[in-house]
Amino acid sequence: AQSVAQPEDQVNVAEGNPLTVKCTYSVSGNPYLFWYVQYPNRGLQFLLKYITGDNLVKGSYGFEAEFNKSQTSFHLKKPSALVSDSALYFCAVRALVRDGAGSYQLTFGKGTKLSVIP
Amino acid sequence: DAGVTQSPTHLIKTRGQHVTLRCSPISGHKSVSWYQQVLGQGPQFIFQYYEKEERGRGNFPDRFSARQFPNYSSELNVNALLLGDSALYLCASSLQLTTGYYEQYFGPGTRLTVT
Repeated sequence: AQSVAQPEDQVNVAEGNPLTVKCTYSVSGNPYLFWYVQYPNRGLQFLLKYITGDNLVKGSYGFEAEFNKSQTSFHLKKPSALVSDSALYFCAVRALVRDGAGSYQLTFGKGTKLSVIP
Repeated sequence: DAGVTQSPTHLIKTRGQHVTLRCSPISGHKSVSWYQQVLGQGPQFIFQYYEKEERGRGNFPDRFSARQFPNYSSELNVNALLLGDSALYLCASSLQLTTGYYEQYFGPGTRLTVT
């Protein structure tokens, strides 16, 4: 079964410092990986995806993610954190729907709460 | 452009009752998926619909059902509510069902509280 793990429940970083939110994956075949962000009382907003190609993926709001096949990781990064980046971050992998007609779902990690300290 | 919309925003129900949640996808999107997000957890897949047909179901009991209408909007129904059904219910739409660029756009969710 496809799965992702986010080993850190919370990450604290000072404003202006680089940030990293970790994600590892377990899939059979080629992974389709995603990062979403959730602000309080809001739905999930898409940040970026890796399908194929360059291992460094650039996304919205200055975020990027590095795909590492040998380490089965897809860490989210940003060179300089903003207080407004404080939110809940979810890593997800595309997975075949059980008994589905070739359709796919997103399987999410538990989430990492990012706090950027002024 | 309007994003995915969901109604109601919040809902309080009593154990044993029935609830209906509604979702309107982004214009032109034909696939709608439903997810349940329990506090402190990531969203879990419940259903996927495409062109009004159920195309996938997650590991949820038969008390959960859904449908998609000709205008691609969708309803999620939950019967015989349990306390454990309290969660944020998220609807997501995507342009197609299976593409190499599977990108889902989420609505703000409906917060269901069962007392």
